[in-house]
Amino acid sequence: AQSVTQLDSHVSVSEGTPVLLRCNYSSSYSPSLFWYVQHPNKGLQLLLKYTSAATLVKGINGFEAEFKKSETSFHLTKPSAHMSDAAEYFCVVSLYSSASKIIFGSGTRLSIRP
Amino acid sequence: DARVTQTPRDKVTEMGQEVTMRCQPILGHNTVFWYRQTMMQGLELLAYFRNRAPLDDSGMPKDRFSAEMPDATLATLKIQPSEPRDSAVYFCASGLHRRNEKLFFGSGTQLSVL
Repeated sequence: AQSVTQLDSHVSVSEGTPVLLRCNYSSSYSPSLFWYVQHPNKGLQLLLKYTSAATLVKGINGFEAEFKKSETSFHLTKPSAHMSDAAEYFCVVSLYSSASKIIFGSGTRLSIRP
Repeated sequence: DARVTQTPRDKVTEMGQEVTMRCQPILGHNTVFWYRQTMMQGLELLAYFRNRAPLDDSGMPKDRFSAEMPDATLATLKIQPSEPRDSAVYFCASGLHRRNEKLFFGSGTQLSVL
């Protein structure tokens, strides 16, 4: 069975400090993993994806995520937060070979303090 | 637990047939999104409603796709005629329009057009 857990519903950091958004997954097969961002009143935007290539994935806007199979984690990080990073972030897991098994995490709201 | 309900869960049809997907947003939510997920394209926004009015359907092929909200408890996405390239998972999401809106996703409709 597949599942994805975003461990924090809300994360608040100061501008200029590092960001860590946590995601753990459960999958019987080699998964594809995605991070999406949703800015207020906008649709979802793909930040980055992991599809069994390099375990460290670089995305847009300075974000990156590391696939750790031993920990079943795919945490999203950024060295220095900007005010514009305030948004909702979704971790998504899917079976690489099938589009029918796609599960969204519950989301993490990121707030940035000036 | 309030949840977004999508039906059918799976749909297999032949090319040229009409397909209707339904979504019941969470009671009280006034925004509804339709997304399509394919392994090649990732997640694409098809349509966005607020208070039952379509605000953005620029991502939707207008010649064959249509999206409506006949009332606040039902959103529909129709494809007529369907084509094999429409095969994907279609997600509905609902939310409450306000600052830092959070989306809640349905479990998706897996569409296969043969």
